Amino acid sequence: GEDVEQSLFLSVREGDSSVINCTYTDSSSTYLYWYKQEPGAGLQLLTYIFSNMDMKQDQRLTVLLNKKDKHLSLRIADTQTGDSAIYFCAEKGSGNTPLVFGKGTRLSVIA
Amino acid sequence: ETGVTQSPTHLIKTRGQQVTLRCSSQSGHNTVSWYQQALGQGPQFIFQYYREEENGRGNFPPRFSGLQFPNYSSELNVNALELDDSALYLCASTPGRLLTDTQYFGPGTRLTVL
Repeated sequence: GEDVEQSLFLSVREGDSSVINCTYTDSSSTYLYWYKQEPGAGLQLLTYIFSNMDMKQDQRLTVLLNKKDKHLSLRIADTQTGDSAIYFCAEKGSGNTPLVFGKGTRLSVIA
Repeated sequence: ETGVTQSPTHLIKTRGQQVTLRCSSQSGHNTVSWYQQALGQGPQFIFQYYREEENGRGNFPPRFSGLQFPNYSSELNVNALELDDSALYLCASTPGRLLTDTQYFGPGTRLTVL
């Protein structure tokens, strides 16, 4: 089946930029998503990118998509302690197929 | 806040029992999906309902079943609970029937099976 891979942990200092990476296998992916999950909570949609785009910026968030390498990244500028959470990459294939999630990257922000 | 609510927030059951989890979708959304998130894992798709009918199913056994009501709220039922069913169960609603529509998640129900 389709697969989404992420590194499990990332630690950054407050004020630095964070870059969370994701790779996926489905060449027919149409949309790619980033969700944030805080402890004990559900998933919060952060941003998404359509597969015919290579970059999307939304305030402190920048998403880069390399469709050839099937690589997606999320950059968080000026990372704050409130950004500490688990970040999930998810992809959607063509047709009526469900979201496929990675295992999540736990971001720790050190003050 | 997505407007998607789930109940209860926590639940403890024993092996072999049955459980019902509930979800109210965001206003204007007629499609609801259910996901299982085991500890340390990403969410896995269970199934989706559109206008009271199942509209896609993941790799889960038939003891996982669902319902959607005319007001678009939904239930997830799990029979013959097993220890591995312990997980966070997430409900997500979308404004359309396609699984490609952006999904908005509720806070989840944490189920513990002893």
